[in-house]
Amino acid sequence: DIQMTQSPSSLSASVGDTVTITCRASQSISRYLNWYQQKPGKAPKLLIYGSYSLQSGVPSRFSGSESGTDFTLTISSLQPEDFATYYCQQTYSTVWTFGRGTKVEIK
Amino acid sequence: EVQLVESGGGLVQPGGSLRLSCAASGFTFSSYWMSWVRQAPGKGLEWVANIKEDGSQKYYVDSVKGRFTISRDNAKNSLYLQMNSLRAEDTAVYYCARAGMAARGFWYFDLWGRGTLVTVSS
Repeated sequence: DIQMTQSPSSLSASVGDTVTITCRASQSISRYLNWYQQKPGKAPKLLIYGSYSLQSGVPSRFSGSESGTDFTLTISSLQPEDFATYYCQQTYSTVWTFGRGTKVEIK
Repeated sequence: EVQLVESGGGLVQPGGSLRLSCAASGFTFSSYWMSWVRQAPGKGLEWVANIKEDGSQKYYVDSVKGRFTISRDNAKNSLYLQMNSLRAEDTAVYYCARAGMAARGFWYFDLWGRGTLVTVSS
């Protein structure tokens, strides 16, 4: 199965900061990479699909990029509502896998 | 309203069985692949299983193969997960999710239920 290594596992940031979260795939997954946001007690919310396509209704401060098997989620000008846990997910193979998550906390 | 509502969770003893249901509304259920995703307490997300629109293809994570069965009834707009031989490590919130597909075949989960808690304990 394809493994997704997500880093860091947690980070502290302030409102207005730019935050970067990385996911590395264990093999090529083309652009089949999604990012989700999850807040405590809630279901995940799709942010980005196909590596860099923004889901409808998601603020433009969220962006995604890819370089080979490395994928990045960038949150520009962090807002109070962005403090949450973020997960990457690959849907390249028939067995879909998530990264272990990155918790973004308030500094 | 477009939504997914899970039910059927609860406390079950190790080795026992449970059947989860997911009721879909507000969209054409039979046009979508559907999935189950779980999250153990305080842990990350784990994809469990997928099923094709007509039920003809199913895929599972290795840890549940031979124990869990995903199925659907398009006439009832419902998705199911039959869970047998349950283990303590199956304890989790189980989410029903709709798999959307963009151009070029990029799959993603664009609609989630609120989840139902399954606790496996004696």
